[in-house]
Amino acid sequence: KAGVTQTPRYLIKTRGQQVTLSCSPISGHRSVSWYQQTPGQGLQFLFEYFSETQRNKGNFPGRFSGRQFSNSRSEMNVSTLELGDSALYLCASSRSPGQLTLNTEAFFGQGTRLTVV
Amino acid sequence: GQQLNQSPQSMFIQEGEDVSMNCTSSSIFNTWLWYKQDPGEGPVLLIALYKAGELTSNGRLTAQFGITRKDSFLNISASIPSDVGIYFCAGPNRDDKIIFGKGTRLHILP
Repeated sequence: KAGVTQTPRYLIKTRGQQVTLSCSPISGHRSVSWYQQTPGQGLQFLFEYFSETQRNKGNFPGRFSGRQFSNSRSEMNVSTLELGDSALYLCASSRSPGQLTLNTEAFFGQGTRLTVV
Repeated sequence: GQQLNQSPQSMFIQEGEDVSMNCTSSSIFNTWLWYKQDPGEGPVLLIALYKAGELTSNGRLTAQFGITRKDSFLNISASIPSDVGIYFCAGPNRDDKIIFGKGTRLHILP
């Protein structure tokens, strides 16, 4: 059974550019959540999608957006990149939305490391 | 907003030693989750706790849900080299978003 796949693994962009990251959940999982991980702030929740609908959203500016397709694959987009957006972006998939618990079998991908220069 | 405070931030121990770390919050949580993150990987769920006072084990790992519902503890017995990594506590806040502590980084000395 394939795990959560995030592409690309590494990315370097310059300030002002925009970037799109991709997450393919485990087959059969319909919920995808995105997190930003930085040394200073730790893991912060960005948003969650279930059945192509944004179910929950964290406290990030509107430059951060996402979407989910009918095959449950999800993308997140960051526009007008800033140096502070440099981080590891993680996605997690589960069968059902809400709490990440053993009951919902949530799994994280390896992440996309974004560096903004 | 709700925050999770983990301590210690980092630990240096000898192989074979037992490890204790904790997570506290100023507000009540109804679920406590403990994750481990290896270098270059995403976090992996180790233990989930659902009831105040609950004590749950997963191999050499034992976690407890504090009676006040404002804290949780993770213990690792007889540490081995593959225990190295960052351990995060997490829980769903009142908006059903999972929030994470900043982690405890475990180092094992040869």
